[in-house]
Amino acid sequence: AQSVTQLGSHVSVSEGALVLLRCNYSSSVPPYLFWYVQYPNQGLQLLLKYTTGATLVKGINGFEAEFKKSETSFHLTKPSAHMSDAAEYFCAVSWNTGNQFYFGTGTSLTVIP
Amino acid sequence: ETGVTQSPTHLIKTRGQQVTLRCSSQSGHNTVSWYQQALGQGPQFIFQYYREEENGRGNFPPRFSGLQFPNYSSELNVNALELDDSALYLCASSLGGTSGGSFKEQFFGPGTRLTVL
Repeated sequence: AQSVTQLGSHVSVSEGALVLLRCNYSSSVPPYLFWYVQYPNQGLQLLLKYTTGATLVKGINGFEAEFKKSETSFHLTKPSAHMSDAAEYFCAVSWNTGNQFYFGTGTSLTVIP
Repeated sequence: ETGVTQSPTHLIKTRGQQVTLRCSSQSGHNTVSWYQQALGQGPQFIFQYYREEENGRGNFPPRFSGLQFPNYSSELNVNALELDDSALYLCASSLGGTSGGSFKEQFFGPGTRLTVL
């Protein structure tokens, strides 16, 4: 079955440190790939997406992610964490051009001052 | 440009009751998808409506049903509520359904928090 796995339900980093949130998908067919952020009591906000083209994708708030087909991964990174980055992060995939998304279970990011 | 809106914000129901959640899509969008996000979990796809017809469904029982109206707003109806239906229900709108071969980005509303007692 097609699925999305986010390793680490909770990640803590110090302010200014590198942020690395992991996402892997299980399918021989490369999907469309997304990262969303969710702040408490709010909906989902798109951080970045990979659909076609360059495999290194830059998003909002200094985040970026690289699609690695050989590793079936789409890890999210940010060079320097900020307190405002504390939130829940979801990786999502879609295997068609507009239908359902499959979401991972989420990673809660804590930024330590 | 108006974003995706959902009503109500919060709702409390008892087991066995029925509930209707509403979603207004972003201006110009003709496709609405509904997701259920249980506490501590990622959103799960319920179904999608495109031009007033169901256009894909996830692994949810028939007591989860929906409608899309000519103005592309949408309702999610849940009958015979169960305790496990307690969740955040998210609506997302996009343009174009699944045709055309290019990706259709979805924009999410803030959600409706449903509590079933």
